[in-house]
Amino acid sequence: DVVMTQSPLSLPVTLGQPASISCRSSQSLVHSDGNTYLNWFQQRPGQSPRRLIYKVSNRDSGVPDRFSGSGSGTDFTLKISRVEAEDVGVYYCMQGTHWPDVTFGQGTKVEIK
Amino acid sequence: QVQLVESGGGLVKPGGSLRLSCAASGFTFSDYYMSWIRQAPGKGLEWVSYISSSGSTIYYADSVKGRFTISRDNAKNSLYLQMNSLRAEDTAVYYCAREGYCSSTSCYSGPPYGMDVWGQGTTVTVSS
Repeated sequence: DVVMTQSPLSLPVTLGQPASISCRSSQSLVHSDGNTYLNWFQQRPGQSPRRLIYKVSNRDSGVPDRFSGSGSGTDFTLKISRVEAEDVGVYYCMQGTHWPDVTFGQGTKVEIK
Repeated sequence: QVQLVESGGGLVKPGGSLRLSCAASGFTFSDYYMSWIRQAPGKGLEWVSYISSSGSTIYYADSVKGRFTISRDNAKNSLYLQMNSLRAEDTAVYYCAREGYCSSTSCYSGPPYGMDVWGQGTTVTVSS
């Protein structure tokens, strides 16, 4: 299985400041079709997960533009340009390239300092 | 609006069975791959099973293979997960999810794309 490793696992941030989460995969996530199927999900406390980003850098509908995704190969990043109170929660990366064996990262807990 | 609503969770003894259901609305259910994902208490997300739009292609995680069966009824806009031989480690919130994404002009479905719509989850507790 492809192992997805996130860092940090806990991220205290100041409101209005930027935040960055890293996700590294144990194998390249470049699919044979040329696409890279790396997703980012947000799970607010007590809520279901919600996808923020698909195919590395594409924001889902309704996702604020303060969220951005980047990366290639095995190294990916989710950035929040200015953290707001509603951004508190756990963030997961997930690879779909090696489906059906899709795998999630361990999660990064974002909290306000 | 696009919605997924799970039901059927509950408390069951080890070795028992449970059938989860997921009712879809607000989109053409028969066009989409669907999946089940679970989250053990205080833990991360674990993919459980996929089913193609027609139901002809199915995959399972190794942890549930041979015990769980995914199915769908496109006429009823419903997804199911039959869980047999349940173990304590199956205790989790179970989410159904739609696989795909929508751009400004079109929608695409398939497991590589990830889960773009999630239900609220249903809790399964396996305990004696």
